[in-house]
Amino acid sequence: AQKVTQAQTEISVVEKEDVTLDCVYETRDTTYYLFWYKQPPSGELVFLIRRNSFDEQNEISGRYSWNFQKSTSSFNFTITASQVVDSAVYFCALSGSGGSNYKLTFGKGTLLTVNP
Amino acid sequence: DTGVSQDPRHKITKRGQNVTFRCDPISEHNRLYWYRQTLGQGPEFLTYFQNEAQLEKSRLLSDRFSAERPKGSFSTLEIQRTEQGDSAMYLCASSLVKGKGVFKAFFGQGTRLTVV
Repeated sequence: AQKVTQAQTEISVVEKEDVTLDCVYETRDTTYYLFWYKQPPSGELVFLIRRNSFDEQNEISGRYSWNFQKSTSSFNFTITASQVVDSAVYFCALSGSGGSNYKLTFGKGTLLTVNP
Repeated sequence: DTGVSQDPRHKITKRGQNVTFRCDPISEHNRLYWYRQTLGQGPEFLTYFQNEAQLEKSRLLSDRFSAERPKGSFSTLEIQRTEQGDSAMYLCASSLVKGKGVFKAFFGQGTRLTVV
């Protein structure tokens, strides 16, 4: 069975602070995908990033960066110089690969509030 | 690319009534997923279609729930004899899956169901 744990239920920061959202996963698959989605108050899940299990290279996209560490089964997400528009619920998710495994198991989400 | 669209966005119904939701996926996507999200939780997988075939149903999908995807295009999710516990956001997602290729799911804005 697959499991995703986001231990931080809520985080509150002041604008321009850096913030890291933690994600720990469990899977028996050797090939799998990890995702981060953003859910603003409008409700739509916005895709942020996908990593596959064979690529442990960290990635940076603007103010966003992701740290994938297979040794600790973690896929953490950092927002640098946070902005009020970053306020949302962020979900980490895991998918297997092949056949029916292409479905997402989500964590419970982390509510990020960025205050001006 | 018009994205995944869901209709209606909001639905209030009385307990015991039947409701039907519609999802229009991204046109070239062969997979369509339904998820349910309750307050404070991450989305949970309900079912998915590969083209018109429904290939997997979660144990969360009781006999009162039925989903269809005629002709492999749009999909409908029907809930019969609604109960208050059915109140949730119902999310639809679509993806293009080719063999063991890249997998990325795009979500609609969801249908928020309130059963009173």
